[in-house]
Amino acid sequence: QVQLVQSGAQVKKPGSSVKVSCKASGDTFNSYTISWVRQAPGQGLEWMGRIIPVLGIATYAQEFQGRVTITADKSTSTAYMELSSLGSEDTAVYYCARGFGNWNLFYFDYWGQGTLVTVST
Amino acid sequence: EIVMTQSPATLSVSPGERATFSCRASQSVRSNLAWYQQKPGQAPRLLIYGASTRATGIPARFSGSGSGTEFTLTISSLQSEDLAVYYCQQYNNWPPKTFGQGTKVEIK
Repeated sequence: QVQLVQSGAQVKKPGSSVKVSCKASGDTFNSYTISWVRQAPGQGLEWMGRIIPVLGIATYAQEFQGRVTITADKSTSTAYMELSSLGSEDTAVYYCARGFGNWNLFYFDYWGQGTLVTVST
Repeated sequence: EIVMTQSPATLSVSPGERATFSCRASQSVRSNLAWYQQKPGQAPRLLIYGASTRATGIPARFSGSGSGTEFTLTISSLQSEDLAVYYCQQYNNWPPKTFGQGTKVEIK
């Protein structure tokens, strides 16, 4: 049974950074990618980037280049997403999702439960 | 970058009726298209991949069709628990980030 379990909700000040974790079970880290997808209130799904945990290679969507860092700790099967220079527009639910396919082209077969990040003064 | 366009934005259907909605790609994505269901307050769930293959545990009333640029998701007999937003996603071209904007299914 594949599970992706994310860390809890956070409230952050504008200009600060947030780091969200995603612990994977099963064979996820050896054979699949992990992506981060966010969803602002009432909005659609926005892919932020993905990591190949077994290689430690991360690639980011253009919109988040320079502001997002995705890492993976193979020893604990945990992926992390850190987003810096937060603004109110970053208030969203952040999901991790397992990519099924190849390293670069994949659909998302399992999702974490989501982590609400609220950016507020 | 490929643009995915879903229609309609909202669909109101009575229980037991058929619900059909569309996803169009700005260029061919062959059959590399997935559909997701997102119920209120929940994470998305994979319904269909490869344009027409149901994911594990997905009821047979859900079916997908199409290839190239035109795709359809059909719920053959809508149940009350199918109230959700449905998204399509292409994974034929990098970046695989392109989701449609979603179709919201309401129960009439």
